[in-house]
Amino acid sequence: DAGITQSPRYKITETGRQVTLMCHQTWSHSYMFWYRQDLGHGLRLIYYSAAADITDKGEVPDGYVVSRSKTENFPLTLESATRSQTSVYFCASRAGTSNTGELFFGEGSRLTVL
Amino acid sequence: AQSVTQLGSHVSVSEGALVLLRCNYSSSVPPYLFWYVQYPNQGLQLLLKYTTGATLVKGINGFEAEFKKSETSFHLTKPSAHMSDAAEYFCAVSADSGAGSYQLTFGKGTKLSVIP
Repeated sequence: DAGITQSPRYKITETGRQVTLMCHQTWSHSYMFWYRQDLGHGLRLIYYSAAADITDKGEVPDGYVVSRSKTENFPLTLESATRSQTSVYFCASRAGTSNTGELFFGEGSRLTVL
Repeated sequence: AQSVTQLGSHVSVSEGALVLLRCNYSSSVPPYLFWYVQYPNQGLQLLLKYTTGATLVKGINGFEAEFKKSETSFHLTKPSAHMSDAAEYFCAVSADSGAGSYQLTFGKGTKLSVIP
């Protein structure tokens, strides 16, 4: 089906472990984004990508790594998970370069770090 | 720099009553303004947006918002609340800071409850 899908939807891990959250979109949108959602903070941008092999930091990038070798995939890796990274993570995509464009969101990945 | 303030983290209304969710923004350049809605256990979806032109914009599900530059506001309204409107609503601002800018800044969200 067309759209943007995230996996896993739910993940429990332990402090210090590496975790990768996957994001796949079928529209060939240029831009992709990773946000985290926390109570009292709303959504905060972690990383974004303007195209394959082009990525840049957002507001809260520390502790995260991204890559984008193909237009349709934008994985987010927590190299050594910490309890403060317990959150709901949303991937989003946007067609084109205009700031007026709509963001399309995945359903989220709920990560718990014990 | 840009920012968004949503007044009230939680708003309750009776079914059939007016819905008013408040959003004020700060931007050093003319803003683009958005309202997104998030239903439980789902991602966000666009309700409506203001870019240029008419300051009263209509969105899906009977919602509308008015851009008021003098008040730096973009409040979301719906004349009559329905049970299905219960969700969390996010105001967001984006500024034209050059081609390819990622700068969409979200407010902290307002959770809307609808009382039968």
